[in-house]
Amino acid sequence: AQSVTQLGSHVSVSEGALVLLRCNYSSSVPPYLFWYVQYPNQGLQLLLKYTSAATLVKGINGFEAEFKKSETSFHLTKPSAHMSDAAEYFCAVSGGTGGFKTIFGAGTRLFVKA
Amino acid sequence: GAGVSQSPSNKVTEKGKDVELRCDPISGHTALYWYRQSLGQGLEFLIYFQGNSAPDKSGLPSDRFSAERTGGSVSTLTIQRTQQEDSAVYLCASRRTSGGADTQYFGPGTRLTVL
Repeated sequence: AQSVTQLGSHVSVSEGALVLLRCNYSSSVPPYLFWYVQYPNQGLQLLLKYTSAATLVKGINGFEAEFKKSETSFHLTKPSAHMSDAAEYFCAVSGGTGGFKTIFGAGTRLFVKA
Repeated sequence: GAGVSQSPSNKVTEKGKDVELRCDPISGHTALYWYRQSLGQGLEFLIYFQGNSAPDKSGLPSDRFSAERTGGSVSTLTIQRTQQEDSAVYLCASRRTSGGADTQYFGPGTRLTVL
């Protein structure tokens, strides 16, 4: 079965600092990987996704993630945090042995300090 | 419509009552998902519909939960004899195709509170 682990339920960074949100997945076949973001009182929206093309994926708002098969990771990064990045971030995996189901991680809440 | 819509946005009910939650997916999207989001628990998969195929109900937590999708469009999630542990935000998402790489588009959710 597929699974997703997000390390750290809460991450706090200063404005302008590097953002690193960690995601590790488990899948016996190459998966599709996603990062979704949920801003306060809003629905989830796609940030970026990996679909077996380039391993470095660029998303909206300056975020990017790198698929590393050897580490079964898909960590999300942004060079410089902005106050507006404060939100909850979800890593998700689909395809492969999971079929059409999408499995979400527990989420990481990002706090940005002024 | 332009996006996925859900109704009601908030529902407060008493323990033991039945509730119905509605989801209107994006027009033309063949796949529809229901999730439950509990505080600090992430998204829990409930059920998945794809076209005319039998739904994947593997995530439904008990037989009090059921869902249907009429005409391949609108979906209703029904919870019978609600319990306090059913309190959560119920999210609906639709996807253009069944492909695993396709993006899911989420509705704003229905916040269910069981007293």
